[in-house]
Amino acid sequence: GQQLNQSPQSMFIQEGEDVSMNCTSSSIFNTWLWYKQDPGEGPVLLIALYKAGELTSNGRLTAQFGITRKDSFLNISASIPSDVGIYFCAGFDMEYGNKLVFGAGTILRVKS
Amino acid sequence: GAVVSQHPSRVICKSGTSVKIECRSLDFQATTMFWYRQFPKQSLMLMATSNEGSKATYEQGVEKDKFLINHASLTLSTLTVTSAHPEDSSFYICSANPTGRYEQYFGPGTRLTVT
Repeated sequence: GQQLNQSPQSMFIQEGEDVSMNCTSSSIFNTWLWYKQDPGEGPVLLIALYKAGELTSNGRLTAQFGITRKDSFLNISASIPSDVGIYFCAGFDMEYGNKLVFGAGTILRVKS
Repeated sequence: GAVVSQHPSRVICKSGTSVKIECRSLDFQATTMFWYRQFPKQSLMLMATSNEGSKATYEQGVEKDKFLINHASLTLSTLTVTSAHPEDSSFYICSANPTGRYEQYFGPGTRLTVT
């Protein structure tokens, strides 16, 4: 089935540093979503992107919907310990029904 | 807004018994809900799409007689793991998208352990 290539697989950064992760696909998506999952919890929606080229912020988080509709990135500025978790990108397109296609996740660890 | 709950959060059952997990959308109606399974350190694996008032759609390789899904109302879907075995032990997560919207909101998950 469809897959998104998400990178990096994991990151171990110093508190205060900025973080960047991205997802790419061989197919076009009409919607890109970014989620964060804490251990033992369900994913929480961080940002939803609906238009090619769209740049959206949510606090220290910024995400962009690539102009080709085949990629998206998520930036976290000035990381803090509570940013630790797994970040997933997800793409949506009616061609695949109403199902989300998920990336493999980026594990973020923050050293304080 | 867009809160999804799951019950129970944790369940331990004996091999051969059945377990029911409930998924509720608390502040919105959801024509469609989704059931995922997640193994440690892996991404979410879609098991089935639950449709209100009709049969669920199962992903390839998921046994529909093993994982019974009922979407009885616009706010409730249930997943029943029948005749559970230790290999069914996993983290099960449901999600729902408000009618007419694409983004899915996830429940907190249910940790199932079959002994």
